[in-house]
Amino acid sequence: AQKVTQAQTEISVVEKEDVTLDCVYETRDTTYYLFWYKQPPSGELVFLIRRNSFDEQNEISGRYSWNFQKSTSSFNFTITASQVVDSAVYFCALSEPSSNDYKLSFGAGTTVTVRA
Amino acid sequence: EPEVTQTPSHQVTQMGQEVILRCVPISNHLYFYWYRQILGQKVEFLVSFYNNEISEKSEIFDDQFSVERPDGSNFTLKIRSTKLEDSAMYFCASSIAGGYTFGSGTRLTVV
Repeated sequence: AQKVTQAQTEISVVEKEDVTLDCVYETRDTTYYLFWYKQPPSGELVFLIRRNSFDEQNEISGRYSWNFQKSTSSFNFTITASQVVDSAVYFCALSEPSSNDYKLSFGAGTTVTVRA
Repeated sequence: EPEVTQTPSHQVTQMGQEVILRCVPISNHLYFYWYRQILGQKVEFLVSFYNNEISEKSEIFDDQFSVERPDGSNFTLKIRSTKLEDSAMYFCASSIAGGYTFGSGTRLTVV
């Protein structure tokens, strides 16, 4: 069974539009970590955020914001006023300490294309 | 800021050849990992390494794969007899207490 589901395969927007990426996770752990990574065309994984399960405060970092809802097991990511440089694949991931090694389970990723 | 370093960044090898992918994790991290990403697909866990032994491995990590930490600094992934389907980006990562750092990856092409 998928531990992390990113239902949106591709999203295309025009510059300055907002875009929200959905992430739904599944775990039996009470303590866990959620991550978002950006993968630009160059291929590296760029860390965006880590959130632990006890911190339900939403976070804003510049044009990026995250909405963590434990009740719906979702950790959605919004890019405000998108720019062409935001074009990338975005991955949501889950780490469960019960696995004893904190390995990450990734979602399938959402490809974001921002058109000028 | 500490980094995870991977070498080489690109490797082309002939089918059936052995390859070794190298990584230098962050020195005070306790867990080390290899992940694989086939082109256009998601990132998949291969293996985790803790206290000088494999902690967990996925079903992808079969007998052709092995990992080593030969000198307390480097962390290597060996693929014994490469197949075409081993072509992928391989990421090394290290972590401590849930904090993760990925290397920039090695793109392996098997021809």
